[in-house]
Amino acid sequence: GAVVSQHPSRVICKSGTSVKIECRSLDFQATTMFWYRQFPKQSLMLMATSNEGSKATYEQGVEKDKFLINHASLTLSTLTVTSAHPEDSSFYICSARDSHGGYTFGSGTRLTVV
Amino acid sequence: SQQGEEDPQALSIQEGENATMNCSYKTSINNLQWYRQNSGRGLVHLILIRSNEREKHSGRLRVTLDTSKKSSSLLITASRAADTASYFCATDAGSARQLTFGSGTQLTVLP
Repeated sequence: GAVVSQHPSRVICKSGTSVKIECRSLDFQATTMFWYRQFPKQSLMLMATSNEGSKATYEQGVEKDKFLINHASLTLSTLTVTSAHPEDSSFYICSARDSHGGYTFGSGTRLTVV
Repeated sequence: SQQGEEDPQALSIQEGENATMNCSYKTSINNLQWYRQNSGRGLVHLILIRSNEREKHSGRLRVTLDTSKKSSSLLITASRAADTASYFCATDAGSARQLTFGSGTQLTVLP
């Protein structure tokens, strides 16, 4: 079946630094990718939708300058958390939609900002 | 924004019992999906039910959908300790086709 690889699985960074998270579709081309954030014991909240070759669409309340999304190819989307702060500590999950409309999720990235 | 509400928030049952989780949503949908998440892990797709379907089965899973009430239920029969996880419903709605997740149910199956 479809596989989405997300890296890193876990990252600790210092406050003020930037962190890049990668999401790759391994055996299919992802026309659209989604980035979610999940706080402990809460549900997934959609942050942004990215379509290959165009600008990402951000959900209300998500700072586009802080959470930079790049979807330069049909198999790779990246989320960069810029100038990270402790309140950005969360579980970030990507999802890719294939050309048939199915959704596959990455395994998530646990970001801790110290 | 979060579209769906799930209840119960937490459910604890004995192994072998059935577990039922409910999901309500607010807008018209293309389909509704159920996912499972083990602690600190990604999501695993369980089952998808289209808006024109009323019931669907997959192994020990049974999903119902009532579009008039904008609600769905997930039944897990003969539960096992390995079923312990968080379960989320997610709706696929509108032309953007993005998933919107419910609040989730934490299921604990006691051996």
